[in-house]
Amino acid sequence: EAQVTQNPRYLITVTGKKLTVTCSQNMNHEYMSWYRQDPGLGLRQIYYSMNVEVTDKGDVPEGYKVSRKEKRNFPLILESPSPNQTSLYFCASSLYGQGGNTYEQYFGPGTRLTVT
Amino acid sequence: AQSVAQPEDQVNVAEGNPLTVKCTYSVSGNPYLFWYVQYPNRGLQFLLKYITGDNLVKGSYGFEAEFNKSQTSFHLKKPSALVSDSTLYFCAVRVLSGSARQLTFGSGTQLTVLP
Repeated sequence: EAQVTQNPRYLITVTGKKLTVTCSQNMNHEYMSWYRQDPGLGLRQIYYSMNVEVTDKGDVPEGYKVSRKEKRNFPLILESPSPNQTSLYFCASSLYGQGGNTYEQYFGPGTRLTVT
Repeated sequence: AQSVAQPEDQVNVAEGNPLTVKCTYSVSGNPYLFWYVQYPNRGLQFLLKYITGDNLVKGSYGFEAEFNKSQTSFHLKKPSALVSDSTLYFCAVRVLSGSARQLTFGSGTQLTVLP
């Protein structure tokens, strides 16, 4: 089954304790992205990657890191989480290639993060 | 910078009536427009997209959307609403120009279909 998986689905942590949220897709997609969803703000893009070793900042990258060492994986790293990073996080992937920006994205189920 | 506006946080419609969820956008260049739906405790699911060609786009579950370049709008429509259509809808825009290869979402519209 074609899917995007995220782990963990729920996480409660304390300020300053480094954490990683994993994202994996089995569709051989070039493009992957991380979003955070907050009430009234919709989804805001954190980082995206157009292929292995190619990443770029989205609209709200502060406090986050990403890496793309393999095509299927795109982990999100919070080196020193703070309470304002409490949010619902989504990973997504899509084809890129010749179609460029025309392809729809496939989303993971989300990770609900609480930082106290 | 590109942006998307969904002017209505909440839309209520009676079952069987037509529904419209509004979306307007602002981009430099030709837009690629998308509608996604989000069911509770799940990720977003793709509904339909406009890339080029016919301004009326048909998608999943009987939904369609009309692209209007002069009004910079991409409203989502369905001729006859179902109670099961009640959920959160997001409009999104993407454009290929320079480094603007991001997908920008609107703030979402909660659709409630009343039985």
